[in-house]
Amino acid sequence: QQPVQSPQAVILREGEDAVINCSSSKALYSVHWYRQKHGEAPVFLMILLKGGEQKGHDKISASFNEKKQQSSLYLTASQLSYSGTYFCGTEAGNTDKLIFGTGTRLQVFP
Amino acid sequence: SQTIHQWPATLVQPVGSPLSLECTVEGTSNPNLYWYRQAAGRGLQLLFYSVGIGQISSEVPQNLSASRPQDRQFILSSKKLLLSDSGFYLCASTKDRYNEQFFGPGTRLTVL
Repeated sequence: QQPVQSPQAVILREGEDAVINCSSSKALYSVHWYRQKHGEAPVFLMILLKGGEQKGHDKISASFNEKKQQSSLYLTASQLSYSGTYFCGTEAGNTDKLIFGTGTRLQVFP
Repeated sequence: SQTIHQWPATLVQPVGSPLSLECTVEGTSNPNLYWYRQAAGRGLQLLFYSVGIGQISSEVPQNLSASRPQDRQFILSSKKLLLSDSGFYLCASTKDRYNEQFFGPGTRLTVL
């Protein structure tokens, strides 16, 4: 039931792009994306709803493919501040709970 | 936006001792509240969630319990801690399933 993220880890140079994928075995109604810095709480990036558009937040955007039951997070021209662990959260079915994915650790170097 | 308060920030407890972690929320009313646990280097495991006062849903059978005595107060408890209870405990709040979850600063619990 836990969404699977890929890749598990990414290493980038500043300015490079990255894509993080999130796949679920169950039908999705929404997908949340969060970033967590080491030792800190997760911070919300964006939410995608079923039937909604691709969202964007500065140079970070995401898509939601309902048929494939997956979402992708796109990081463009990465900055040092993008480093952290990215989690997708899926709300499968008509519930109020969020199940977080396995996480993708992103490291950006100068 | 919402502000989530958690305390204490760090806690070291012996095996078999009781536990009480408190979470309070500001900036909203009637939120959905959640307790997550995160083991070192791992993902977020949902432990409990609540959609209203006295309404608690348990996700993982274990020696932990949760209570919601007031609208914006969520408490995580244990009568006897196990070594496996060590981790980073996060409280989160959201208005509804279509909105972001706001996380508290977390409590790092070490059981020795």
